[in-house]
Amino acid sequence: DQQVKQNSPSLSVQEGRISILNCDYTNSMFDYFLWYKKYPAEGPTFLISISSIKDKNEDGRFTVFLNKSAKHLSLHIVPSQPGDSAVYFCAASPSSGQFYFGTGTSLTVIP
Amino acid sequence: EADIYQTPRYLVIGTGKKITLECSQTMGHDKMYWYQQDPGMELHLIHYSYGVNSTEKGDLSSESTVSRIRTEHFPLTLESARPSHTSQYLCASSETHEQYFGPGTRLTVT
Repeated sequence: DQQVKQNSPSLSVQEGRISILNCDYTNSMFDYFLWYKKYPAEGPTFLISISSIKDKNEDGRFTVFLNKSAKHLSLHIVPSQPGDSAVYFCAASPSSGQFYFGTGTSLTVIP
Repeated sequence: EADIYQTPRYLVIGTGKKITLECSQTMGHDKMYWYQQDPGMELHLIHYSYGVNSTEKGDLSSESTVSRIRTEHFPLTLESARPSHTSQYLCASSETHEQYFGPGTRLTVT
């Protein structure tokens, strides 16, 4: 059974607007979460992370929000740029264990 | 910037052949991982290692084997390739939580 779910396979956003990518998880033992970005024919690249002791982490145009009670996290990209077009994966793990990945959301930023 | 390398990038091979996918990292990370990913699907952990001479199987059952004789090297071997092994194989390493991925090997077994 999939423990990390990204229910939107794709998302299109106009350049300059906000992109919001969502991720849900089922395991309450997860306490560390990451977002990765993947271009075609390349491996995933680490983007931003958050631990369960925080509910927000910001890095430039990227902000990750964590709602532990809802077992939900989201990645906000603002403003969105055409170079942000890629597949975004969320991943979650317990404090000392393997990471579980979602199926990814393909983001297209339209110029 | 992380330095982790995988070869070959693409491989087309016939059924029954033995293959080894190479993975090397220059960061001195103790932890290394192999994932398998099919299009539109999540990454599945098939093997991991927390140090030299330490290897474990991941959640996804795999007919492959791995070895960790040196910190920087974590090769994956398929003794007899089958069409069901057609997939992308991603190697990663980490020091703490963040995993750094190689570019992947796209394997096709005909």
